[in-house]
Amino acid sequence: KAGVTQTPRYLIKTRGQQVTLSCSPISGHRSVSWYQQTPGQGLQFLFEYFSETQRNKGNFPGRFSGRQFSNSRSEMNVSTLELGDSALYLCASSLDGTTGIWEQYFGPGTRLTVT
Amino acid sequence: QKEVEQNSGPLSVPEGAIASLNCTYSDRGSQSFFWYRQYSGKSPELIMSIYSNGDKEDGRFTAQLNKASQYVSLLIRDSQPSDSATYLCAVNTYGSSNTGKLIFGQGTTLQVKP
Repeated sequence: KAGVTQTPRYLIKTRGQQVTLSCSPISGHRSVSWYQQTPGQGLQFLFEYFSETQRNKGNFPGRFSGRQFSNSRSEMNVSTLELGDSALYLCASSLDGTTGIWEQYFGPGTRLTVT
Repeated sequence: QKEVEQNSGPLSVPEGAIASLNCTYSDRGSQSFFWYRQYSGKSPELIMSIYSNGDKEDGRFTAQLNKASQYVSLLIRDSQPSDSATYLCAVNTYGSSNTGKLIFGQGTTLQVKP
């Protein structure tokens, strides 16, 4: 079974621009979570989607947004990029949100550099 | 107080020894606990999950959970140089809405010396 895929793998953007990252979960997985990883803050939860609905959101500004499509694929968008947004953005998928089983499997990540 | 705490290390053990990694969490309502391994430049890889008090073994790995003490640990037996990585403890703190939000510790760097 194919794993979680993320595109693009690397991005370089300029301050003020916006960016869209894409994530395709493991086949059959319906929950997609997004995380930001930086050396200083570690792994931080951004938001989680299930059945096209955002169910939980971390403590990030409104410039960070996301959505999920009917096929469970998800995108996240960051508008008005700041230097501090440079990070590894990780997508993780899990089977569903009803069994209380929450093994999350990560994709390879998108390395975003803001200059 | 951080929600999930780990000793950042590095933890250095000789090849063949047992590596013991520890994690404490603050939310008593936490119900699911995970250990991830992350090699430098790579994404986290799930290696163990544990939901009930006690031990769970999988190959050379044993996860231990003590909810009363809010403590979870990972033992790696017969450590190999290939086990050298950062180990991340993650806790699921979902509430009545039953959502999945993992809270991660800062990670412990393990070095296994040949």
